[in-house]
Amino acid sequence: GAGVSQTPSNKVTEKGKYVELRCDPISGHTALYWYRQSLGQGPEFLIYFQGTGAADDSGLPNDRFFAVRPEGSVSTLKIQRTERGDSAVYLCASSSRGTGYEQYFGPGTRLTVT
Amino acid sequence: GNSVTQMEGPVTLSEEAFLTINCTYTATGYPSLFWYVQYPGEGLQLLLKATKADDKGSNKGFEATYRKETTSFHLEKGSVQVSDSAVYFCALSDDITGTYKYIFGTGTRLKVLA
Repeated sequence: GAGVSQTPSNKVTEKGKYVELRCDPISGHTALYWYRQSLGQGPEFLIYFQGTGAADDSGLPNDRFFAVRPEGSVSTLKIQRTERGDSAVYLCASSSRGTGYEQYFGPGTRLTVT
Repeated sequence: GNSVTQMEGPVTLSEEAFLTINCTYTATGYPSLFWYVQYPGEGLQLLLKATKADDKGSNKGFEATYRKETTSFHLEKGSVQVSDSAVYFCALSDDITGTYKYIFGTGTRLKVLA
């Protein structure tokens, strides 16, 4: 079956602009996670959805970052007033109780803020 | 809080050499432990996992044993191939809060020479 997909694969934006990153999880997976991977680092947790609600947003670095999952499937990560330090690969993962909560990762969106 | 510490890379080995990548963790409770691999230009893929103490995860000739007494989950392979060149991430799943979010190590780059 189809895996986790993310669009766009690459995004270049200017400092101060607004961006949206999209994640399509595996069909039927109720849990969805966003992570951020900076160059040479491991992924860092940003936010977790169970269904439509953000059950844990403790990893969001500040209030410029926001994410939604209105119908419990596709999720959008939104970044306002982007800064150069936001440049990273943004990863999405999904899981379900049926997979023992093992997470399946998408290919990521590489965000570059110039 | 929970954390994962991996040996720093890069690790450079000749083909057919023995591989060990060290991983230790700090966690409350009994997390699940994972090794993910990231091949050049690709996304994160699950390599193996262990969900409780003394479990051994194995896949593609790689093995790791969940050692609660030493809080370790070292990755081993008896004979590496050039195709094993990649970045390897150790991770734990936070099972206490019910989010099952992952905490990753910083990654270890492996380069295997023919």
